[in-house]
Amino acid sequence: DVKVTQSSRYLVKRTGEKVFLECVQDMDHENMFWYRQDPGLGLRLIYFSYDVKMKEKGDIPEGYSVSREKKERFSLILESASTNQTSMYLCASNADNEKLFFGSGTQLSVL
Amino acid sequence: RKEVEQDPGPFNVPEGATVAFNCTYSNSASQSFFWYRQDCRKEPKLLMSVYSSGNEDGRFTAQLNRASQYISLLIRDSKLSDSATYLCVVGYSGGGADGLTFGKGTHLIIQP
Repeated sequence: DVKVTQSSRYLVKRTGEKVFLECVQDMDHENMFWYRQDPGLGLRLIYFSYDVKMKEKGDIPEGYSVSREKKERFSLILESASTNQTSMYLCASNADNEKLFFGSGTQLSVL
Repeated sequence: RKEVEQDPGPFNVPEGATVAFNCTYSNSASQSFFWYRQDCRKEPKLLMSVYSSGNEDGRFTAQLNRASQYISLLIRDSKLSDSATYLCVVGYSGGGADGLTFGKGTHLIIQP
């Protein structure tokens, strides 16, 4: 069974903390994505990676960075967490415009 | 900016009824189309891909209308467990960061 695994289901952090969200996929997909989802705003793309060490900004990259050192792993980094980054974070992967497979999400609360 | 639009609802539908909703897209070069289902506080899960000739999976039928640039989802004999948010996803040529665009979803509530 194909799988996208996010390291934490729930996370509570304090303002100013550095936060790492990890995502691993076992499908050998080239593409990996980080989205955030907020009520009324739908899914918004933060960053996208189409290969190891390659990344592209999505719609809302400000305040975030990413790392893809290995094909199966895509990390989202909040350098200095702020309260407006409280959200559901979803990782996904696919092979070129094909269907996306999502992780189970991380609900991040920044206090 | 490529747009994918959905009626947010909620659609309140009695159990057993048939319900349909559409999703419009702005880029005529779109190549791939999907319907996802998302339950509250869960991740989106693929419901079905949408093919040019239309396709059916049990009680669910998806159709593509390229001329009018919309896709539709029809649910027959609706069940309480069909209550969810249905997301439309459209893929554009070239992939890249904006290769897949999501609608904001249609909220469906099946009532007993």
